[in-house]
Formats: sequence, C-alpha cells, structure tokens
Amino acid sequence: ETGVTQTPRHLVMGMTNKKSLKCEQHLGHNAMYWYKQSAKKPLELMFVYNFKEQTENNSVPSRFSPECPNSSHLFLHLHTLQPEDSALYLCASSQGAGQAMKNIQYFGAGTRLSVL
Amino acid sequence: SQKIEQNSEALNIQEGKTATLTCNYTNYSPAYLQWYRQDPGRGPVFLLLIRENEKEKRKERLKVTFDTTLKQSLFHITASQPADSATYLCALDMVPFSGGYNKLIFGAGTRLAVHP
Repeated sequence: ETGVTQTPRHLVMGMTNKKSLKCEQHLGHNAMYWYKQSAKKPLELMFVYNFKEQTENNSVPSRFSPECPNSSHLFLHLHTLQPEDSALYLCASSQGAGQAMKNIQYFGAGTRLSVL
Repeated sequence: SQKIEQNSEALNIQEGKTATLTCNYTNYSPAYLQWYRQDPGRGPVFLLLIRENEKEKRKERLKVTFDTTLKQSLFHITASQPADSATYLCALDMVPFSGGYNKLIFGAGTRLAVHP
C-alpha cells in the first residue's frame, strides 16, 4: 500500500456520461496530482494542487474538471469524454511541490478508464 | 525540442546478471533525477533520487549514475531476480526558472524481463 487510494479501479463510460474519479491520500502530504498514462507513452501531468490551490493546468480539455476540497482528497470530474481519453488515470501526492525530497511522488493504483 | 529517451524495446536478461537501463535527455537541465518502478496495472513506485552534483547513488542492489555532461542517467540492478521484472521510469525534476514549483517530466519507461 502506497497510502494513496483511488476509486474506482475500472470505469467504462459512454461519451455522454458524467462520472468522477476519487483519490484519497493518508500520508499528510500537501500536494496532489492527476496524471494520464496512455499505452507506450510517458505519464502526462494534468493538474497539480498545492495546499488545495490549483497551481497547474497542463492545457487539459475542459471535459476534465478537477476538484480538491482539502489536502487529502482529490477528484476528477469527467463529462462528454472522447474515445481517445481512454487511459490509466493516476493520482499522486507529495510532501510538497518545490524541493527535491519533497517532490518524490506516491502514486495510487490508478483508474483504468474506457470511453465507448 | 525537449526529449527524454528510454529504451522502448524490452530488456531481457538472465537471473543473476546486472541489468542496465538508460535514460537520455536533451534540452533539459534537471536539478534532480528520479527513478520509479511500475508493475502492470499499478502506479509507479519511487526507487531512488540523485542530485545533479552527485555522480552515483546506491540502495541495496540498485545503483544510479547521473552525468549532466552526457545528459544521461544509468540505472543498474545487480544480481537481478525474476521479481525485478517491471517497467522502470526515469523522471527529470525540473527547478522552475521563475518561481513556482518543481515539475516531474517522465520518460516512457523501459520494460525489464529477468528470466530464471
């Protein structure tokens, strides 16, 4: 166990559905991240929250909407997705967002998303 | 353009041998470099961090080198075991030029298969 829990582990949705991914960290970290991982491609950083404030939106389409109600919880709200959005979505946390040892990231197991 | 290159081909080695994985980068100046392990269907797990002024870092059977002149990091696993079979990701830890926070830029990873 990494201390970062993601639910659901698998999600199949139609292009008109609305769903949410949930991430919870039990590590007392201050920064949380959403990454997208497609087959054979590097992890793509989507969003960063540091002390609940969004500090990065890496040109992500508006059909992905993050929410960070507190330092322990992070959501990714999904609506009107496209088939090319099918991927593994990973949540991570780190102690801080700015210094070497504090930037080590702890990942959840991910949500495998399939958009039909 | 900026690139991180890890061998896209899987590395197959015999149990007991040393595995060496390569991470090359261009047009980046990372202050730190991290290595992660990822098993199928799981999130990456942090292994080692090395600073730009460190030539080598060791942890049990793992050794990482960092050559900022060659813009290359090598990741070694000595006395490899079948349990070491996984995908290994390198990540550049970029200190921002103007405020903000460090951002991790990941390579696509190299899959290692250790055969009995």
